[in-house]
Amino acid sequence: GAGVSQSPSNKVTEKGKDVELRCDPISGHTALYWYRQSLGQGLEFLIYFQGNSAPDKSGLPSDRFSAERTGGSVSTLTIQRTQQEDSAVYLCASSLAGLAGIEQFFGPGTRLTVL
Amino acid sequence: SQQGEEDPQALSIQEGENATMNCSYKTSINNLQWYRQNSGRGLVHLILIRSNEREKHSGRLRVTLDTSKKSSSLLITASRAADTASYFCATDGVLIQGAQKLVFGQGTRLTINP
Repeated sequence: GAGVSQSPSNKVTEKGKDVELRCDPISGHTALYWYRQSLGQGLEFLIYFQGNSAPDKSGLPSDRFSAERTGGSVSTLTIQRTQQEDSAVYLCASSLAGLAGIEQFFGPGTRLTVL
Repeated sequence: SQQGEEDPQALSIQEGENATMNCSYKTSINNLQWYRQNSGRGLVHLILIRSNEREKHSGRLRVTLDTSKKSSSLLITASRAADTASYFCATDGVLIQGAQKLVFGQGTRLTINP
């Protein structure tokens, strides 16, 4: 039983370039979450998927950020025209059914550095 | 703004001692969870306490919840070097289509000295 996986583990890019981050949730988990964590900070909620739909995109910091999930499984988070303030660790989590009080299982994260 | 605020921000103790971390939150909750994070990577769920519970134990972990004060504490007894990590509380006061939107605090960085 594999856990949540994310790729790449590290990404260094130049300012202005687009990046795609990938998340493979635990098989059977219908809920998927993206968070961002800046150095030494807590987690900032970005977006939540239930199946393929995203009922809550309220955490996306700007229109440069978008995410999609296909087939109720893999999700990609895309950041267009990256800025230095986008540098952070991007964490993905999944859970069963998205019900309240259910444990979230986190991936190892993608560390994004924008030069 | 952050829902949960941990206190202290950093804690350093000797191995074998007990470590206590506190979390305060602002709005009413259904449950509160504690997570551990090693080396700035993925978080690991430790324990969940529901709003109608006051105390919960799991191994060397003891969590209390005081909804009247909107606060929780995590106690790690007989600390070990492997407990060195950052600890976050997360609350789920906001539900979106039945799903929990966890709101995390800033975390407490715990260092256990051998």
